[in-house]
Amino acid sequence: QQPVQSPQAVILREGEDAVINCSSSKALYSVHWYRQKHGEAPVFLMILLKGGEQKGHEKISASFNEKKQQSSLYLTASQLSYSGTYFCGTERDDYKLSFGAGTTVTVRA
Amino acid sequence: DAGITQSPRHKVTETGTPVTLRCHQTENHRYMYWYRQDPGHGLRLIHYSYGVKDTDKGEVSDGYSVSRSKTEDFLLTLESATSSQTSVYFCAISERREGYTFGSGTRLTVV
Repeated sequence: QQPVQSPQAVILREGEDAVINCSSSKALYSVHWYRQKHGEAPVFLMILLKGGEQKGHEKISASFNEKKQQSSLYLTASQLSYSGTYFCGTERDDYKLSFGAGTTVTVRA
Repeated sequence: DAGITQSPRHKVTETGTPVTLRCHQTENHRYMYWYRQDPGHGLRLIHYSYGVKDTDKGEVSDGYSVSRSKTEDFLLTLESATSSQTSVYFCAISERREGYTFGSGTRLTVV
């Protein structure tokens, strides 16, 4: 039931863009995105709800294709602070999230 | 000011001993969760709670039990610790259809 994330890892230079994808085989109610830095707890970035509502970080953009059960997180004009592991979490019509295995993003100067 | 605290932060225990991890929140959130994080697996749900005394199993619940007698506290117990339960454990809180707030984690080593 865990969603599938791709790619597993990406290396960027400052200012470059990247897309992280998340897909599920089950119908979803919402998709969450989190970033985790080494040795720290995951931090909430954004939630995308069925029906189009989005809540979260102003500088992060993401999309949710309800028909395909897919979500994408867009890292635009990347900064050094964007480095970390990004997790998507998918929610069906219950109270709990299943997380993907994560995408490690490294931004280099 | 974190709103959610986990204790202990680190623990080393012996195989076969019971262990209890505590999650405490000051946000009055309804939902609380215990996840474990292992390399290559991301975060996997152990148990969750949707109210006082209302709990349910997650995807990796074998060998774990939970209790929630007050809104603010959610306890995770390893009934008889095994080496496979060596992991980092995260507690999280949320309201319905809102982002999760995670605690700082407990690093548990079973020797």
